[in-house]
Amino acid sequence: GQQLNQSPQSMFIQEGEDVSMNCTSSSIFNTWLWYKQDPGEGPVLLIALYKAGELTSNGRLTAQFGITRKDSFLNISASIPSDVGIYFCAGDTGNQFYFGTGTSLTVIP
Amino acid sequence: DAGITQSPRHKVTETGTPVTLRCHQTENHRYMYWYRQDPGHGLRLIHYSYGVKDTDKGEVSDGYSVSRSKTEDFLLTLESATSSQTSVYFCAISGRTGGESYNEQFFGPGTRLTVL
Repeated sequence: GQQLNQSPQSMFIQEGEDVSMNCTSSSIFNTWLWYKQDPGEGPVLLIALYKAGELTSNGRLTAQFGITRKDSFLNISASIPSDVGIYFCAGDTGNQFYFGTGTSLTVIP
Repeated sequence: DAGITQSPRHKVTETGTPVTLRCHQTENHRYMYWYRQDPGHGLRLIHYSYGVKDTDKGEVSDGYSVSRSKTEDFLLTLESATSSQTSVYFCAISGRTGGESYNEQFFGPGTRLTVL
């Protein structure tokens, strides 16, 4: 199946630092979604992007829909301990959703 | 949250036994999905439904069947469970009519299945 290339696979950062992660694909997507998953729980939708070039914020999170419609990035500013978890992207072609393999974030107090 | 529940949340079963997982939504979303999540593979689509009694196969459908007799319920059945089907199973929904979130997909809490 189609895969989204998500990087980095893992990050270890100090509390207060900013974080950036991205996803790329060989295919064009209509929608980009970013999720956070905590251990033992289902993924929670953080941000949804609908238009090429769109920049959307949700608190300390900011995500952008790439101009080519083949990529997206997520930034987290001023990280805090509760940001720990796995973040992953998803793209929607209109027929199906495809998911990245995730970025594991560890925040060191 | 989008009003999705899954049952059971945990199940241990033996190889060869049938297993049915249930997903229930209260949000009247059109589409429902079953995924499995395994280390190193991320989320993989098993089956999905685009309406009552309308279903289609996903990437890893072998050994699984689904049914959707009502908008709110989507069942995943393992006809004869195997150890390779040990996984965490997530239900998801999308396609909320009349809202801005039509293309957004929301996940249930997951079912952890162990096949011995």
